[in-house]
Amino acid sequence: LAKTTQPISMDSYEGQEVNITCSHNNIATNDYITWYQQFPSQGPRFIIQGYKTKVTNEVASLFIPADRKSSTLSLPRVSLSDTAVYYCLVVDTGRRALTFGSGTRLQVQP
Amino acid sequence: NAGVTQTPKFQVLKTGQSMTLQCAQDMNHNSMYWYRQDPGMGLRLIYYSASEGTTDKGEVPNGYNVSRLNKREFSLRLESAAPSQTSVYFCASSETGRDGYTFGSGTRLTVV
Repeated sequence: LAKTTQPISMDSYEGQEVNITCSHNNIATNDYITWYQQFPSQGPRFIIQGYKTKVTNEVASLFIPADRKSSTLSLPRVSLSDTAVYYCLVVDTGRRALTFGSGTRLQVQP
Repeated sequence: NAGVTQTPKFQVLKTGQSMTLQCAQDMNHNSMYWYRQDPGMGLRLIYYSASEGTTDKGEVPNGYNVSRLNKREFSLRLESAAPSQTSVYFCASSETGRDGYTFGSGTRLTVV
């Protein structure tokens, strides 16, 4: 099971781009990376998922270098409503359920 | 679209009491999951059901039982509640288990 390491917390200001980097040094060939967002008192919400290079959707971009030992979630022009906990997970195709770590607590200030 | 619905939203139990947390999804997903989240922590998997008719233990199954009643419903039962089971419980579902999970809004359980 590939373990992930991400910052415990990050601070930003409205309008800035935020990049949260996650390391997963022992990711296996068939594993892929997924990110979730969790607001207080709510369940996590799926944000984005990728295997390599770059994936972009309406919410975020995910950058994965060629060695796949890390990934970076990029949130463009954050607002106060982006204040949340962000979880990086490696999806082990041999397992049947996601394992969550402690996540990164992002605080966006005015 | 309701997505994943959990009931109740809040519950207070006395030590030793039993209760069942209900979860239903309307997305025709095959896989369903129960997680617990303690304050300031990430989610820990209790049990999951990869498909209708199957259930498997997760990281922290002790003190819990589950039933996959049908494809839509997956319940979690505490037979004899303990203060250590005070937590927020989340149910989730996914189509294959390798795609995005949809979570419910949680059940906040306090055992006194």
